[in-house]
Amino acid sequence: GQNIDQPTEMTATEGAIVQINCTYQTSGFNGLFWYQQHAGEAPTFLSYNVLDGLEEKGRFSSFLSRSKGYSYLLLKELQMKDSASYLCAGSSEAVYNQAGTALIFGKGTTLSVSS
Amino acid sequence: DAGVIQSPRHEVTEMGQEVTLRCKPISGHDYLFWYRQTMMRGLELLIYFNNNVPIDDSGMPEDRFSAKMPNASFSTLKIQPSEPRDSAVYFCASSFRDTYSPLHFGNGTRLTVT
Repeated sequence: GQNIDQPTEMTATEGAIVQINCTYQTSGFNGLFWYQQHAGEAPTFLSYNVLDGLEEKGRFSSFLSRSKGYSYLLLKELQMKDSASYLCAGSSEAVYNQAGTALIFGKGTTLSVSS
Repeated sequence: DAGVIQSPRHEVTEMGQEVTLRCKPISGHDYLFWYRQTMMRGLELLIYFNNNVPIDDSGMPEDRFSAKMPNASFSTLKIQPSEPRDSAVYFCASSFRDTYSPLHFGNGTRLTVT
């Protein structure tokens, strides 16, 4: 089967750096995705990793180690608006051979940024 | 582009009633997904379609749930009869065929069954 684990909650202060970890177990792998979801809103795409290593996008970076089934999202220079839930997502085992893009999501990490 | 459009935004109904949620995907997207989100279970995949054909409905909780996609621009998720435990936010999302294309989510339908 597949399973995606991430911490439930994290807190940080403005201007700081925070790392949100995600571990996954899937028998197929089509990439590891990160989404951001503000309270009461829809998830929005942040980043994806297919190969091992770090992908940087402005203040946000995402890292992947396929051998370890591990990823993290790094947020730098935190701002109050970064307070949100961050969802780690990977491909469903059921669709791996169909080259589908059905994602299985972790329960999300709620990040609270304070001043 | 208007994005993925879902209706209604909010639905309150009594137990036993039929509920129909609607979704219009982004034009040109090949895949359409229905997810359900609750505090306890997070975001769960219910069913998804490729070119209007249901591919995997293993996430549909039980026979009370059904989904259709009669054409490339419209999909429905129906619950009949509804139960209080169906209360959740239901998201529709669409994407291109490319494996690494991100999902684009609609704003969701908040369903409350009393």
